[in-house]
Amino acid sequence: AQRVTQPEKLLSVFKGAPVELKCNYSYSGSPELFWYVQYSRQRLQLLLRHISRESIKGFTADLNKGETSFHLKKPFAQEEDSAMYYCALSGAGTALIFGKGTTLSVSS
Amino acid sequence: EAGVAQSPRYKIIEKRQSVAFWCNPISGHATLYWYQQILGQGPKLLIQFQNNGVVDDSQLPKDRFSAERLKGVDSTLKIQPAKLEDSAVYLCASSLAGGSMSEQFFGPGTRLTVL
Repeated sequence: AQRVTQPEKLLSVFKGAPVELKCNYSYSGSPELFWYVQYSRQRLQLLLRHISRESIKGFTADLNKGETSFHLKKPFAQEEDSAMYYCALSGAGTALIFGKGTTLSVSS
Repeated sequence: EAGVAQSPRYKIIEKRQSVAFWCNPISGHATLYWYQQILGQGPKLLIQFQNNGVVDDSQLPKDRFSAERLKGVDSTLKIQPAKLEDSAVYLCASSLAGGSMSEQFFGPGTRLTVL
């Protein structure tokens, strides 16, 4: 079955600390993996996708097919990073399957 | 560029009543999605349209939910009759094309409360 697991509901860190939001997936095939973010009172929006291999707002994510993971990382958290983060996958031509999300709270 | 528009933003109804949501996608976007997001969960796809044809409605509870996209632009999602477990945020999204390579843009959502 296709599934995305985000084991942490809430991750609280201090400003300047490293951040790692965990995402594991289950999919028989080669999925596309994404991270979506929802800031307070804003719409859900795409943060990054694994196929682009880019860094957005200092965040990176590497697809590890052996561990079926796609963890989101940032070396130094900022207060403006506080938001809800969703990991999602898409199979061949299929719509997005989302995890339950992780709330990131960055305090000073 | 204007984003995806949805209305109403909030709706409160009693169980067994009917309700309809409206979505206007970004101009030129061929693919339109409706998601249901229950509190504490991620969005779950209900139905996907490509122009005015249905691509995927496998998770749509067809005994009570219906959706249409006349003329391949606006879309409406209807629930009739509503149940308590339908309380959720209903998100509309659109993309230029279907498939994972085309970024989905989300609307603000409609928060439905069924009493």
